Amino acid sequence: AQTVTQSQPEMSVQEAETVTLSCTYDTSESDYYLFWYKQPPSRQMILVIRQEAYKQQNATENRFSVNFQKAAKSFSLKISDSQLGDAAMYFCARPGPGANSKLTFGKGITLSVRP
Amino acid sequence: NAGVMQNPRHLVRRRGQEARLRCSPMKGHSHVYWYRQLPEEGLKFMVYLQKENIIDESGMPKERFSAEFPKEGPSILRIQQVVRGDSAAYFCASSLYRDTYEQYFGPGTRLTVT
Repeated sequence: AQTVTQSQPEMSVQEAETVTLSCTYDTSESDYYLFWYKQPPSRQMILVIRQEAYKQQNATENRFSVNFQKAAKSFSLKISDSQLGDAAMYFCARPGPGANSKLTFGKGITLSVRP
Repeated sequence: NAGVMQNPRHLVRRRGQEARLRCSPMKGHSHVYWYRQLPEEGLKFMVYLQKENIIDESGMPKERFSAEFPKEGPSILRIQQVVRGDSAAYFCASSLYRDTYEQYFGPGTRLTVT
């Protein structure tokens, strides 16, 4: 089965500090995409960052960056200089299973930010 | 460019009634996906549609659920004879191209079955 695993249900970080959210996945493909989505209390799903597996360079979007370890099938999200507005649920996702572009999501991590 | 629109945002139905959820994709997007989120869970894929075609409905229950995306108008997710277990948040996403897998989500419809 094609799975996405987020083993930490909750994490907490002090404002202005750095936090890393973990994600592992299962795939038999060599070329694929990986995503992190943020879901604040409003429930709106917001795309945070995208990684293309064939690119060796880790993706970066402002304070958000990923640590992509293809061999280990690990895709963690690092949030630097955490802000109160970063408090949300974070979901790791990847396309599949199958050829169509549906996404499979992990169960999510609830991130709280302490002022 | 307006984002993905969903309505209603909240929908309350009694057991046995029908629920109709609407999704208007972003302008120019012809790929629509429906996902369901149960409490404390991630999103689960239900169905993928392109204009007038259902491409993949592997995540949709075989009975009571149907989806369409007509040539004109929004995509509709229809749930007939709702039961309490249908209570969830239903999200629609759209994309411009299939291959980039970059999907933009609407705000969701929270369905409550009483």
